[in-house]
Amino acid sequence: GENVEQHPSTLSVQEGDSAVIKCTYSDSASNYFPWYKQELGKGPQLIIDIRSNVGEKKDQRIAVTLNKTAKHFSLHITETQPEDSAVYFCAAGTSNTGKLIFGQGTTLQVKP
Amino acid sequence: SQTIHQWPATLVQPVGSPLSLECTVEGTSNPNLYWYRQAAGRGLQLLFYSVGIGQISSEVPQNLSASRPQDRQFILSSKKLLLSDSGFYLCAWGQGISQAPLHFGNGTRLTVT
Repeated sequence: GENVEQHPSTLSVQEGDSAVIKCTYSDSASNYFPWYKQELGKGPQLIIDIRSNVGEKKDQRIAVTLNKTAKHFSLHITETQPEDSAVYFCAAGTSNTGKLIFGQGTTLQVKP
Repeated sequence: SQTIHQWPATLVQPVGSPLSLECTVEGTSNPNLYWYRQAAGRGLQLLFYSVGIGQISSEVPQNLSASRPQDRQFILSSKKLLLSDSGFYLCAWGQGISQAPLHFGNGTRLTVT
């Protein structure tokens, strides 16, 4: 079945450094790749997404890259701040099902 | 604007008791609706999704069931809870199947004792 692998499971960085989270997916039909941020006790919130006809997308300090050939996509956060500390999830979806399959999550800690 | 409501926020239930979690969406029509479960320290597991009233797809065989009695209402149920049903249950909605993002509620923390 469909599977999304996410690494690392935990990531600790100093404030101001960059953070990178990587995901791989198994379903070659996947064409939509969102990233979610989940704060404690809350539901995940969409922070950025990318579609299969785009290789890279940037929104201020956040960027996502996609390599469809390798079935890899990554989240890059630059100039990290303590409020970036949260659990981040990648997901992969296909337009013919409307389902999203999520990675296992990455706990990011930004140390002041 | 669209909003999603999920309740209750927390729930403690004994083993063998029934369960009913409710989710409603406002500000949109004919949404796709989803139930996910998040075990402690783990990712989100898709349990059920629905593309219309009365249409339910189950992703994982389990002790739970889902129903969609109205266009913007999604209910997660169980006749007899198991200890392994404990977790964080999230309802989500999406618009259509054309790569639209999912929007999540704030979840229900279920503890089965």
